[in-house]
Amino acid sequence: SQQGEEDPQALSIQEGENATMNCSYKTSINNLQWYRQNSGRGLVHLILIRSNEREKHSGRLRVTLDTSKKSSSLLITASRAADTASYFCATGSTSGGSYIPTFGRGTSLIVHP
Amino acid sequence: DGGITQSPKYLFRKEGQNVTLSCEQNLNHDAMYWYRQDPGQGLRLIYYSQIVNDFQKGDIAEGYSVSREKKESFPLTVTSAQKNPTAFYLCASRSRGTNEKLFFGSGTQLSVL
Repeated sequence: SQQGEEDPQALSIQEGENATMNCSYKTSINNLQWYRQNSGRGLVHLILIRSNEREKHSGRLRVTLDTSKKSSSLLITASRAADTASYFCATGSTSGGSYIPTFGRGTSLIVHP
Repeated sequence: DGGITQSPKYLFRKEGQNVTLSCEQNLNHDAMYWYRQDPGQGLRLIYYSQIVNDFQKGDIAEGYSVSREKKESFPLTVTSAQKNPTAFYLCASRSRGTNEKLFFGSGTQLSVL
């Protein structure tokens, strides 16, 4: 099955800096989503970008999608210590009428106060 | 409160024992998913169900079984055939339509005694 791969695997920054995470995938997609996971918890949906969109914003989040390069990036501006978490991209595709989201391995972000 | 509830939060399995993880949602979602997460890894799909009384194998279904007798419930049984069951298990649900966002439970950590 297709899978997004995030890069870098780990990122450590200071509060106030911007954090950029990248996601690459292998096959055609309907959409790409970013999720956040705090340690030992479930994932929380952050933002969805469709295959016909190039950029999307939500608060301090900015997501871009380049379908020609099969890649996406998530930018968190003016990071805060509370942004410390793992971030996953999920690519969505439809198979036999079923929608199946597949996840990458995630980027672990640490924001130092 | 509407949401998706997993129980128990921690579960211990003895050798040769089957254990069942509970997943309940009151979001009126049709689709439900089970994922397995190993430390530092992404999410791997075990089983998914798009509708009551129907479910499909994911990428790592061996050693697991599910049922979908009610729309609200999608329990996962980890059988004795699963030789390496220690992992964090996440259940998710999704509504039909153009918004394909997943809602996740808070997870069950399964360990082997």
